[in-house]
Amino acid sequence: EIVLTQSPGTLSLSPGERATLSCRASQSFTSSHLAWYQQKPGQAPRLLIYGASTRATDIPDRFSGGGSGTDFTLTISRLEPEDFAVYYCQQYGSSPYSFGQGSKLEIK
Amino acid sequence: QVQLVESGGGVVQPGRSVRLSCVSSGFTFSDYGMHWVRQAPGKGLEWVAVIWYDGSNKFYGDSVKGRFTISRDDSKNTLYLQMHSLRVEDTAVYFCARDFRGGYYYLDYWGQGTLVTVSS
Repeated sequence: EIVLTQSPGTLSLSPGERATLSCRASQSFTSSHLAWYQQKPGQAPRLLIYGASTRATDIPDRFSGGGSGTDFTLTISRLEPEDFAVYYCQQYGSSPYSFGQGSKLEIK
Repeated sequence: QVQLVESGGGVVQPGRSVRLSCVSSGFTFSDYGMHWVRQAPGKGLEWVAVIWYDGSNKFYGDSVKGRFTISRDDSKNTLYLQMHSLRVEDTAVYFCARDFRGGYYYLDYWGQGTLVTVSS
């Protein structure tokens, strides 16, 4: 099973700042089969990024994904108030399709 | 628009069984793989199972393998999760989610989830 480790666990920033979240895999998997999801309290997760770097439909361009191999990042260029949430990475290159433990982005 | 509506959750005793359902609409159900993902209270997401678009393959997370069974009824646009030998640690909100393709891609639409509480 591929284990995904996200860091930091919690990131405290202010609106307008830049956020960088990390997702590291325990082993390589099918190239770029990495997705990012956003979840707000009481809501279902929402797809943000797939294929490591492709934004999903209607996702603002302040969200960007990068990386390959075992190291991936999600960057939010300028934080908006609605971006404060929990973010999860997921690999879908090898079953079981594991999630990271999540990174909470909170308002400073 | 794509809609996924889960049902079947509730309180169940340890060791008992329960079946969750997920009714889909707004897309051709038989063309897509479908997943179950769960989230224990205050915890992160845990991938549970996937069934391919044609039912030819089913895969499970290690924590549920041998106890849970995923299935689908394309005539009813419905996904199921049969859960046996339930444990306290199975307590979670269970989400169904659509696979972007046949069952080996990312999850592009999610339901709102149904809560299963395993307690005596």
